[in-house]
Amino acid sequence: GENVEQHPSTLSVQEGDSAVIKCTYSDSASNYFPWYKQELGKGPQLIIDIRSNVGEKKDQRIAVTLNKTAKHFSLHITETQPEDSAVYFCAASDNREYGNKLVFGAGTILRVKS
Amino acid sequence: DAGITQSPRHKVTETGTPVTLRCHQTENHRYMYWYRQDPGHGLRLIHYSYGVKDTDKGEVSDGYSVSRSKTEDFLLTLESATSSQTSVYFCAISELYEQYFGPGTRLTVT
Repeated sequence: GENVEQHPSTLSVQEGDSAVIKCTYSDSASNYFPWYKQELGKGPQLIIDIRSNVGEKKDQRIAVTLNKTAKHFSLHITETQPEDSAVYFCAASDNREYGNKLVFGAGTILRVKS
Repeated sequence: DAGITQSPRHKVTETGTPVTLRCHQTENHRYMYWYRQDPGHGLRLIHYSYGVKDTDKGEVSDGYSVSRSKTEDFLLTLESATSSQTSVYFCAISELYEQYFGPGTRLTVT
């Protein structure tokens, strides 16, 4: 089955700097890669996703890149702000007719210091 | 939280007792999922549903059962709770690719 590894487990950056979180996956059939942000005491919130037919996607200060050959994808946050502090999770799935079974990485705690 | 509610939000129960968690959605999405979240493991899929009365197992299904008698409700049952099932449980829904999560239920088994 699919296995997703996420690095680093914790990341501290200064406000205004960029943050990069990286994930690798094992199943070449995976075709959907979302990123979630989770704040303390809340459910994960979808912040950006990418499908396998696209190499990069941007949404304001966040971007995701995908390298299918190397089986890794990354989240990039530019101009970080204190409110970006949270736990971030990557996930992968081979979206099929009977559902989108996500396999998650272990998470990255991002701390933005002001 | 995309029209998803979970009940109860917190529960403490004793080993060996049955427990049922409820997920309710108002989005009329086809797919519903139950995940558990534990430190160091991210979220892991327990069971999912692809329609009324259509369910299947996920990665960590042992000790859990589910039922979906209506589009809007997905129930997770622990037949006989164990301490290893102490966790935070999240329900999620999707129609196509994007999956949206509820606020979670914190379950403690003593």
